Amino acid sequence: NAGVTQTPKFQVLKTGQSMTLQCAQDMNHEYMSWYRQDPGMGLRLIHYSVGAGITDQGEVPNGYNVSRSTTEDFPLRLLSAAPSQTSVYFCASTGTGNGYTFGSGTRLTVV
Amino acid sequence: AQSVTQLGSHVSVSEGALVLLRCNYSSSVPPYLFWYVQYPNQGLQLLLKYTSAATLVKGINGFEAEFKKSETSFHLTKPSAHMSDAAEYFCAVSPGGATNKLIFGTGTLLAVQP
Repeated sequence: NAGVTQTPKFQVLKTGQSMTLQCAQDMNHEYMSWYRQDPGMGLRLIHYSVGAGITDQGEVPNGYNVSRSTTEDFPLRLLSAAPSQTSVYFCASTGTGNGYTFGSGTRLTVV
Repeated sequence: AQSVTQLGSHVSVSEGALVLLRCNYSSSVPPYLFWYVQYPNQGLQLLLKYTSAATLVKGINGFEAEFKKSETSFHLTKPSAHMSDAAEYFCAVSPGGATNKLIFGTGTLLAVQP
């Protein structure tokens, strides 16, 4: 089915470990973004991309890196995990005014 | 800078009663506005969107929202609540068009009492 696919769905990391959250879309959308969701804070934008090779920072970029080598993929890298990065992470994409499509999320716990 | 304020982090209504979820925005340019719904342990689903066409926007599941520029508001309503409407609702603004970054409010958790 067309949409946004995120992997993994669940992950437990130890403080200081690194990992990559994967995001792929098959709708040929130019715009992709990563959000984190924390109770009472809504969704906060981490990084976004307006096309392959172009990325920019959102509201809460510290501790995260992104790259966009293809239109389809937009991975999010945690360089050195901290307990403050315990959250639910959502990837989203949009094309030309049809609204944003969200993935099902990755629930990350850092211990 | 663009921002969204959702008044009331928790709203409780009786089944069959009117649902009103409030959203006010701040934008220096004509905005695109969205309402999303999130059911427990799921992703976000688009309910409706305003993209500078009709000010009254109808969405899925019987919801609608009215864009009021003078009040900088985009409140979400449904005439009669159903138990299945219990979820968290997020208002969001996209300042420069639908392909630009989306800024969310903090969400309103809707409870529906039998």
